[in-house]
Amino acid sequence: EDQVTQSPEALRLQEGESSSLNCSYTVSGLRGLFWYRQDPGKGPEFLFTLYSAGEEKEKERLKATLTKKESFLHITAPKPEDSATYLCAVQAASGNQFYFGTGTSLTVIP
Amino acid sequence: DTEVTQTPKHLVMGMTNKKSLKCEQHMGHRAMYWYKQKAKKPPELMFVYSYEKLSINESVPSRFSPECPNSSLLNLHLHALQPEDSALYLCASSGTSTLDEQFFGPGTRLTVL
Repeated sequence: EDQVTQSPEALRLQEGESSSLNCSYTVSGLRGLFWYRQDPGKGPEFLFTLYSAGEEKEKERLKATLTKKESFLHITAPKPEDSATYLCAVQAASGNQFYFGTGTSLTVIP
Repeated sequence: DTEVTQTPKHLVMGMTNKKSLKCEQHMGHRAMYWYKQKAKKPPELMFVYSYEKLSINESVPSRFSPECPNSSLLNLHLHALQPEDSALYLCASSGTSTLDEQFFGPGTRLTVL
């Protein structure tokens, strides 16, 4: 069964304190892994797509990496405006659906 | 235009009402999606339209009825909803196939009384 697990559920960081969020997946053939940021009451905002193990993508303070079993979202020197829920989703080769993880709620304290 | 728009932003309806949610995109995307999201939970897929044809229906109750009049527009018709249907309803679209990253609208906050 295709499954996506994110950890930790919640993370509190001091401003400038770097950390990583984890997304573990089990799918029968990965088509793509997607990272989104969601602010309360709003739709998810697309961040990155990763397609194959070893791939990395960067955007400002965020860097996403992918292995055969998991993806990491590294946040370097976060700022309070980085506070949000970060969702990962995988798309399996077997179908068109996205499988979302339950998200990591990030709070960055000034 | 690089966004997905949804109307209305908020909707309150009684269990006997009929209402519709509307979603629009002008990015030339050919796949469109409806998701339901409860508080502190991830989005749950409801329907997928690919090239204006319904390709996925995730066993959604018939009180939710999707419609895709053209490649830019997606509607969700609501009838005889239950209070547990209260949620944020999100529309998304993706490029030329369902393999691409999805871009989400801001959502419609639905409350069923």
